[in-house]
Amino acid sequence: EADIYQTPRYLVIGTGKKITLECSQTMGHDKMYWYQQDPGMELHLIHYSYGVNSTEKGDLSSESTVSRIRTEHFPLTLESARPSHTSQYLCASSGVSSGANVLTFGAGSRLTVL
Amino acid sequence: AQSVTQLDSQVPVFEEAPVELRCNYSSSVSVYLFWYVQYPNQGLQLLLKYLSGSTLVKGINGFEAEFNKSQTSFHLRKPSVHISDTAEYFCAVSGGYSSASKIIFGSGTRLSIRP
Repeated sequence: EADIYQTPRYLVIGTGKKITLECSQTMGHDKMYWYQQDPGMELHLIHYSYGVNSTEKGDLSSESTVSRIRTEHFPLTLESARPSHTSQYLCASSGVSSGANVLTFGAGSRLTVL
Repeated sequence: AQSVTQLDSQVPVFEEAPVELRCNYSSSVSVYLFWYVQYPNQGLQLLLKYLSGSTLVKGINGFEAEFNKSQTSFHLRKPSVHISDTAEYFCAVSGGYSSASKIIFGSGTRLSIRP
């Protein structure tokens, strides 16, 4: 049973479009993360948040932005999508209920930019 | 800062054979270590974790891993694999439960099981 939800699961759009990938969790976790997973299956941290109104950039530079206005919601936005943004984006969360730094992942959003 | 190295990008094995997936880490502080599994078209799910205590950790689906501090390793093992174990396996490290701790993943090992 999934407690963290990502939409859309698959998205194909043209260059220059603005897109928002949604991520919501029902576990009350304070920490949330976005990872970018390349076609070669590596995961790179691009954004994280340790609570409401707290966001930080991860280890991999990304043109995307995130917001954390509510504990359960952590959307990722690309203002102008490019083919180089084609990838899978995985959202995750962790908190006291999940144990020390144990991540719960969503199913992912696979983005293709033409 | 922490880092993780998974030494094998692909590991092919026959069904019912044993398997070991290797993971080495580097860290200047004490660490938490994890193995996650990703089945096709799905997100990652936790296989097992080492936080403290016994160095041999047992996880789901018959997997286990051993924390070796002197060799900075956390290799994943299973004595007899099944076709359903075909997946991508990720080793991860974090520096402990704090607001400044991030979770770093290795590059993954693709386990393919041959009948």
